[in-house]
Amino acid sequence: GQNIDQPTEMTATEGAIVQINCTYQTSGFNGLFWYQQHAGEAPTFLSYNVLDGLEEKGRFSSFLSRSKGYSYLLLKELQMKDSASYLCAATGLTGGGNKLTFGTGTQLKVEL
Amino acid sequence: GAGVSQSPSNKVTEKGKDVELRCDPISGHTALYWYRQSLGQGLEFLIYFQGNSAPDKSGLPSDRFSAERTGGSVSTLTIQRTQQEDSAVYLCASSSRNQFQLPQETQYFGPGTRLLVL
Repeated sequence: GQNIDQPTEMTATEGAIVQINCTYQTSGFNGLFWYQQHAGEAPTFLSYNVLDGLEEKGRFSSFLSRSKGYSYLLLKELQMKDSASYLCAATGLTGGGNKLTFGTGTQLKVEL
Repeated sequence: GAGVSQSPSNKVTEKGKDVELRCDPISGHTALYWYRQSLGQGLEFLIYFQGNSAPDKSGLPSDRFSAERTGGSVSTLTIQRTQQEDSAVYLCASSSRNQFQLPQETQYFGPGTRLLVL
């Protein structure tokens, strides 16, 4: 089955707020990462959550609930350049070490 | 400073040929990872090197895939007798264990090698 689930695509308006949800199987879970990936480019690190709660970093915030196997990435004051794929990834789901298990990514389109 | 670099950036090969993909991690990073990203799929873990420990090869899809890391730095991913289903973007990432920094093991990705098997 799918270890990590996130919506395939979302559309939002410039200046608005968007929340991208991610759910994961909790067995073995260690920590949760969010990456941003523009088309044809490498994923770039956005945020990391290991404890329950909200981590805020400028326009981006990430939330984690370990007991619910749930995270979200919140993007505020959306800009056109935020159009990208947002990847939810977790460590610990497939054995030891720090290898990441990724969701399929959420393609965000920001419109005028 | 310099990030993770990979070469070649693009590779087109014929079915049945062998290919080698190279990754230069960030200097000083002890861990190196290979992932594969196929069209419409999430990133898929392939193999993981940590220092001098035996690599975690649990993600390699078949025995046609192998990787080595020489001198604890540069890594080469080799695909023998390539098949069309091997066509994907192969991404390399590296990380370092820093007890004073959270997250301790953030992985930084290279630009990838786009492999097309005809």
